[in-house]
Amino acid sequence: GIQVEQSPPDLILQEGANSTLRCNFSDSVNNLQWFHQNPWGQLINLFYIPSGTKQNGRLSATTVATERYSLLYISSSQTTDSGVYFCAVVRGPGAGSYQLTFGKGTKLSVIP
Amino acid sequence: DAEITQSPRHKITETGRQVTLACHQIWNHNNMFWYRQDLGHGLRLIHYSYGVQDTNKGEVSDGYSVSRSNTEDLPLTLESAASSQTSVYFCASGSSGNTIYFGEGSWLTVV
Repeated sequence: GIQVEQSPPDLILQEGANSTLRCNFSDSVNNLQWFHQNPWGQLINLFYIPSGTKQNGRLSATTVATERYSLLYISSSQTTDSGVYFCAVVRGPGAGSYQLTFGKGTKLSVIP
Repeated sequence: DAEITQSPRHKITETGRQVTLACHQIWNHNNMFWYRQDLGHGLRLIHYSYGVQDTNKGEVSDGYSVSRSNTEDLPLTLESAASSQTSVYFCASGSSGNTIYFGEGSWLTVV
């Protein structure tokens, strides 16, 4: 199956700092999503981004499908950004497959 | 109200008992999924369904079953609970080739 590697595994930031999280995948994908799991365990979808760039407030993401990686940027980090960030992909194109394969996540701790 | 609900949210059961975790979504999504989350393993797919009467095994399906009798629900059954099935279980749903949404999780402890 497809391999999804995220880096770094752990990240500690001072409030206000910027960060970049990386997701590498081993095969072509037709679906890539970034999720944030908050300290209460809830999984929140941040971006659906199989290719290109998207921005939502202080967060933005870029996927370069031809080079098999995606980046999640967090600017001016806040303590509420703490949690685990997951990248998840669906192998593609075609095959009629829609189930996501997850990376192991990046644990982010933002300290005041 | 949450758009995808799981119940129970927390459960303690004994080894060997049958347990069913419910998942209900209101969007009419064709695709529904069950994942388990464990330390060191991230989220792993248990079973999934692409529509009514369709069910498929995922990466870690042994000891679990699902049924899809309508679009809204995908209950997950542990036939004979084992301590190795102590985990957090997440249900998810989505339309084909689009964003997937997760429920709030069900914490299951098998003693």
